[in-house]
Amino acid sequence: LAKTTQPISMDSYEGQEVNITCSHNNIATNDYITWYQQFPSQGPRFIIQGYKTKVTNEVASLFIPADRKSSTLSLPRVSLSDTAVYYCLSFSGGYQKVTFGTGTKLQVIP
Amino acid sequence: DSGVTQTPKHLITATGQRVTLRCSPRSGDLSVYWYQQSLDQGLQFLIQYYNGEERAKGNILERFSAQQFPDLHSELNLSSLELGDSALYFCASSAGDYLDAGELFFGEGSRLTVL
Repeated sequence: LAKTTQPISMDSYEGQEVNITCSHNNIATNDYITWYQQFPSQGPRFIIQGYKTKVTNEVASLFIPADRKSSTLSLPRVSLSDTAVYYCLSFSGGYQKVTFGTGTKLQVIP
Repeated sequence: DSGVTQTPKHLITATGQRVTLRCSPRSGDLSVYWYQQSLDQGLQFLIQYYNGEERAKGNILERFSAQQFPDLHSELNLSSLELGDSALYFCASSAGDYLDAGELFFGEGSRLTVL
């Protein structure tokens, strides 16, 4: 499983757009990039997944540059309820240890 | 609701004791994953089962063991408990035996407190 690096924490005011960047060391050709969200004392929840370029869903956008060495999760107009830990993963097919890093703790401020 | 059920939600026990955590995956999912999350720590992968067979193993202690039964539910057994075993234990499930795309569905976790 490719190792990922992301900031430990971020603060943002309500209504702002938040961008969380993750670097993907040694990402393999067939690795997908996936982001999860975790609220305190709850299990992580899938947010978005992509392979290259840009992916958008009702919750977030995911930007992946051509070299795929990094990815950026974009949360538009955050609210207090977006306060959570956000994890980026990258993984490829086959038996593997699906490992989460320590994630980015996002604190949204009123 | 992810469809993954974990029991018990909370468990308090003493050092040296043994506990069993139970997980029922989403309907139709064949893979079950176990994770440990200590206070302010990330999720540590413990083990994965697919259709009753062990598929991948993380840094799972020898005092811990798991299995997946024919009805696809899974149990995580923790023995000779130590204070440091206090954590949230999450179970997740997925459809196939490997995860290249798609998602893991997590349960609400079992909070274990060892006194």
